[in-house]
Amino acid sequence: QSALTQPASVSGSPGQSITISCTGTSSDVGGYNYVSWYQQHPGRAPKVMIYQVFKRPLGVSNRFSGSKSGNTASLTISGLQAEDEADYYCSSYTSSRTLVFGGGTKLTVL
Amino acid sequence: QVQLQESGPGLVRPSETLSLTCSVSGGSISPYFWNWIRQPPGKGLEWIGYVFYNGDTNYSPSLKRRVSMSVDTSKDQVSLTLTSVTAADTAVYYCARGGTVITTNDYWGQGILVTVSS
Repeated sequence: QSALTQPASVSGSPGQSITISCTGTSSDVGGYNYVSWYQQHPGRAPKVMIYQVFKRPLGVSNRFSGSKSGNTASLTISGLQAEDEADYYCSSYTSSRTLVFGGGTKLTVL
Repeated sequence: QVQLQESGPGLVRPSETLSLTCSVSGGSISPYFWNWIRQPPGKGLEWIGYVFYNGDTNYSPSLKRRVSMSVDTSKDQVSLTLTSVTAADTAVYYCARGGTVITTNDYWGQGILVTVSS
C-alpha cells in the first residue's frame, strides 16, 4: 500500500485559514468515510483532531474542520494560532482492512 | 481517563526480536481495536498493524512476515513482536486505541524509542 500524499509544508499568518490536502485512491480515501487527521508537536505523541472525515473529538477546537471530495480529504484550520504550529498527518482505512498514513505536513505559523 | 503505556527494551541487537507491551488503564480492552504505529527518527508515521479485543489481527503488508500481535484481556495489555530486526526498525513505537473502528486512534501512549544496534 502506498502512503497518502500530503504537501510537505504549508504556512500561514495568525488569524488566517489554511488547508492541508490528503490524496489517496478509491481503495482508501475515496472508498471509505474513515479519514482521520492527527496533530503532532515535537517530542509528543500524535493527537487526533478529526476522525471519520469531519467529526471532532471532545475538546478539539472548532477551528479545525475536515472534508472529503473524491479521493482527496482536506483539513482546514481557521483563525491560525501560534500553538497550531506542528506536523499534521492524515490516515485512511483501506480495502485491505489496513490503515495507511500520509507523509505528513509541517505547518508553520508565520 | 484512558491511559496507555508502552514498555520494553530500548535497545535490541540486529537479527533479534523486538517485544513491546502496551498497558491500558482507566478503561477496558474491549470492545476496541488496538493499533501499533511507529515513527523512525525525523520521519513520518507508519502503521504496523492492529489487534482486536477478541484476538483478530491484521498487519501492514510490508511487515506481516515479521510481526505478531496479541491481547491479554485479563491484564488489559496488548503486545507487539517484531522478529529479525535491522537498523531500519529503529523508531518510536506507539500503541493507540483504534476505537470501534481502527481509524479513530483517540488515545495514544507516550511512545517508546527502540534502537536497533549492536
